Amino acid sequence: EVQLVESGGALVQPGGSLRLSCAASGFPFGSYWINWVRQAPGKGLEWVANINHDGSEKYYEDSVKGRFTVSRDNAKSSLFLQMNSLRADDTAIYYCVAGHYSNVWGQGTLVTVSS
Amino acid sequence: DIRLTQSPSSLSASVGDRVTITCRASQGITHYLAWYQQKSGKVFRLLIFDSSSLESGVPSRFSGSGSGTDFTLTISSLQPEDVATYYCQKYDSAPWTFGQGTKVEIK
Repeated sequence: EVQLVESGGALVQPGGSLRLSCAASGFPFGSYWINWVRQAPGKGLEWVANINHDGSEKYYEDSVKGRFTVSRDNAKSSLFLQMNSLRADDTAIYYCVAGHYSNVWGQGTLVTVSS
Repeated sequence: DIRLTQSPSSLSASVGDRVTITCRASQGITHYLAWYQQKSGKVFRLLIFDSSSLESGVPSRFSGSGSGTDFTLTISSLQPEDVATYYCQKYDSAPWTFGQGTKVEIK
């Protein structure tokens, strides 16, 4: 079964850090671009970052540049998002998504930034 | 960065109606556009990719068209199970961008 499972979401104070993980199974993970997409409560979808097959290319949405870092471990079929200097407007459900367009979405992990 | 503008932001139509949602890109993206359906606030389904290609398993009442800057998602005969929010998404290059969404309801 093709699956992406996110983890690592939590309640964190403004200025804090968090590391999200995404575990993949059921498809050739190392052949895919992988994306992080988020959805704030009651809001639309926002692309956050992506990484190419071997990790040599990474792109970020402007509001997270310099604060978030995407990485991957193909040997473990895993994707990561290191989030630093978190702000209230980073509060959202974070999804990992395989491919440039995709039916392969994780179930999401909730990040809440609040004091 | 290229922006995607969806319209309308919401609509209400009767069962059997033809429904059209538009997505306009601020610059040309050739055919690199997908459409998604989100139900129950969490479950995502890819409907259309490459502007007009129907994803396997998606009912044929859904169709997509357009290229360059103007794109359309059409539901030829609205069904109760189509109540959802629909998003367009570009993937020609980073940054990916999503439209702001169109909420579809039954009248």
